[in-house]
Amino acid sequence: GESVGLHLPTLSVQEGDNSIINCAYSNSASDYFIWYKQESGKGPQFIIDIRSNMDKRQGQRVTVLLNKTVKHLSLQIAATQPGDSAVYFCAEGATGFQKLVFGTGTRLLVSP
Amino acid sequence: GAVVSQHPSWVICKSGTSVKIECRSLDFQATTMFWYRQFPKQSLMLMATSNEGSKATYEQGVEKDKFLINHASLTLSTLTVTSAHPEDSSFYICSAKGSNYGYTFGSGTRLTVV
Repeated sequence: GESVGLHLPTLSVQEGDNSIINCAYSNSASDYFIWYKQESGKGPQFIIDIRSNMDKRQGQRVTVLLNKTVKHLSLQIAATQPGDSAVYFCAEGATGFQKLVFGTGTRLLVSP
Repeated sequence: GAVVSQHPSWVICKSGTSVKIECRSLDFQATTMFWYRQFPKQSLMLMATSNEGSKATYEQGVEKDKFLINHASLTLSTLTVTSAHPEDSSFYICSAKGSNYGYTFGSGTRLTVV
């Protein structure tokens, strides 16, 4: 796969800062996108999703932005906390296709 | 909410033996289940998609005779790694999807082949 041999990019922030994690997706036919949080040794945990008929969606402390023109997705975390430290993945899916394809991931490190 | 249970959480086996990993949807019927493999510091790579009662669809490069997938019921899928070798050591994660539920992931299985 594309991520073979690559280390995860890392974003280091201070507690209380806002974090922005970016993701470029590859399939122009993708119309459903999900952000997951993965802690060490655990499975991915759903954070927020968005469909292609929207360009922004907000949750509790999180916002997802979708730019279909450049096939870019971002996750904004407000007032980042040490408990937010984890690896974050975007995943893309398409109507009519069942599978989700994961991006390469970003490690978020939050310092107290 | 939707819960997926995956067992075992970790397993160590000898090279040449087979290992079975179970994935159960506890409170919903999973019409489709997915198996992923994740190497350290890498992303989740989809291995196969299985629909209940049907043969699994494997991704390119995944050996179907080595990674046997069974989805015999709407709540259970199993992945059997046959004749395991050290290079099969990885973190295996299942995901289940029901008609009224999104993608729910199991907690993963750490396989170490010695």
